[in-house]
Amino acid sequence: QVQLKESGPGLVQPSQTLSLTCTVSGFSLTDYSVHWVRQPPGKGLEWMGGIWGNGNTNYNSALKSRLSICRDTSKSLVFLKMNSLQTEDTAIYYCTRDSNYGYTYDYWGQGVMVTVSS
Amino acid sequence: DIQMTQSPASLSASLGETVTIECLASEDIYSNLAWYQQKPGKSPQLLIYYANSLNDGVPSRFSGSGSGTQYSLKINSLQSEDVSIYFCQQNYDSPPTFGGGTKLELK
Repeated sequence: QVQLKESGPGLVQPSQTLSLTCTVSGFSLTDYSVHWVRQPPGKGLEWMGGIWGNGNTNYNSALKSRLSICRDTSKSLVFLKMNSLQTEDTAIYYCTRDSNYGYTYDYWGQGVMVTVSS
Repeated sequence: DIQMTQSPASLSASLGETVTIECLASEDIYSNLAWYQQKPGKSPQLLIYYANSLNDGVPSRFSGSGSGTQYSLKINSLQSEDVSIYFCQQNYDSPPTFGGGTKLELK
């Protein structure tokens, strides 16, 4: 069955770089795109960016200068790196699978809580 | 970016009641709208796509409608397991954007 699972540090210091990994199973990264969505505590959802089946990427312009998404298709892994973290980047970070309908997320990981604090 | 405005922000209803949540887009999104349900402490789950198509496994008491800039999610015969936050999301244009959410509680 389709599964996604995020992993990474729970605590990052301000100005440092966040590195997260999404491990997927039950589908191929060359057939579906995987996106990252974040949710600050008690708040709404923000799309961060995604990597398509052909390897192309698209980023939210608000984060584009700080964000990078890449993948290892042989290991079914998708990576997120975001630099210059600030306290407002504290959030639950989800990786999601984009269905064939385009920017419509039919499977989500459990999420990983990232706190930016010294 | 397309702005999505949900109303109400919170809603209290009784078991068995019918509830409706509204979502307004800042421009025409041509029915490219999804609804998600987020139960407490859980990830969002896709309920409806293309404004009115039910995702696999979603109970038929959920339905979506709308066109242009105005959309709604209807829940018939409210059940206790429907207590959640509901989000709309446009997938017409990048970046995809979400509404602020509607918190549904039991009265």
